[in-house]
Amino acid sequence: DAGVIQSPRHEVTEMGQEVTLRCKPISGHDYLFWYRQTMMRGLELLIYFNNNVPIDDSGMPEDRFSAKMPNASFSTLKIQPSEPRDSAVYFCASSSTPGRPTHSNQNEQFFGPGTRLTVL
Amino acid sequence: AQTVTQSQPEMSVQEAETVTLSCTYDTSENNYYLFWYKQPPSRQMILVIRQEAYKQQNATENRFSVNFQKAAKSFSLKISDSQLGDTAMYFCAFMRGNAGNMLTFGGGTRLMVKP
Repeated sequence: DAGVIQSPRHEVTEMGQEVTLRCKPISGHDYLFWYRQTMMRGLELLIYFNNNVPIDDSGMPEDRFSAKMPNASFSTLKIQPSEPRDSAVYFCASSSTPGRPTHSNQNEQFFGPGTRLTVL
Repeated sequence: AQTVTQSQPEMSVQEAETVTLSCTYDTSENNYYLFWYKQPPSRQMILVIRQEAYKQQNATENRFSVNFQKAAKSFSLKISDSQLGDTAMYFCAFMRGNAGNMLTFGGGTRLMVKP
């Protein structure tokens, strides 16, 4: 498996523009997570999905942020309009349901390489 | 809510020596998991080691081991025979059992291994 795939790896945009970050989880994983990493706040969970359904979006900073998971192999995180304070590294991670007896890495979250977003 | 605290923002160690990174957490849960993640300059998050709270035996992965003190809510990482490639940010993380695999991270410790 190629692991969690994120695109783009780097994004530079101007304030007010729409930004869309993309994630492809590991095949067979039923949990997907979006994290944001900044110097000031560290690693924060923004939202997570289980079986494509958003379960907890309490970490989403404000209405400018939205996330979707239209199918098991794809998720997007959208910021509209973007602001300079949104500049951060955004990680996507996936994992499988605890208790699956055949899975050797229960509970482990596998992270993508991250998207470094810069809003000017 | 759970909190994870890493009290050492930065540490350094000489190559081949041993270093211990500290982590404490606060929770009322009895079923949970603890993790140490490594983030090298490439920024990729890499799982180093994991510990199930119900296991009394400390986890070990090659040169990496933990000292899990459940009553004290302490979860330190020991790196033996430090190598230059161990230079990275290290994050301690907490996950509640049976609660959706959500991770709560500590603030991180920047480790520098010196030649």
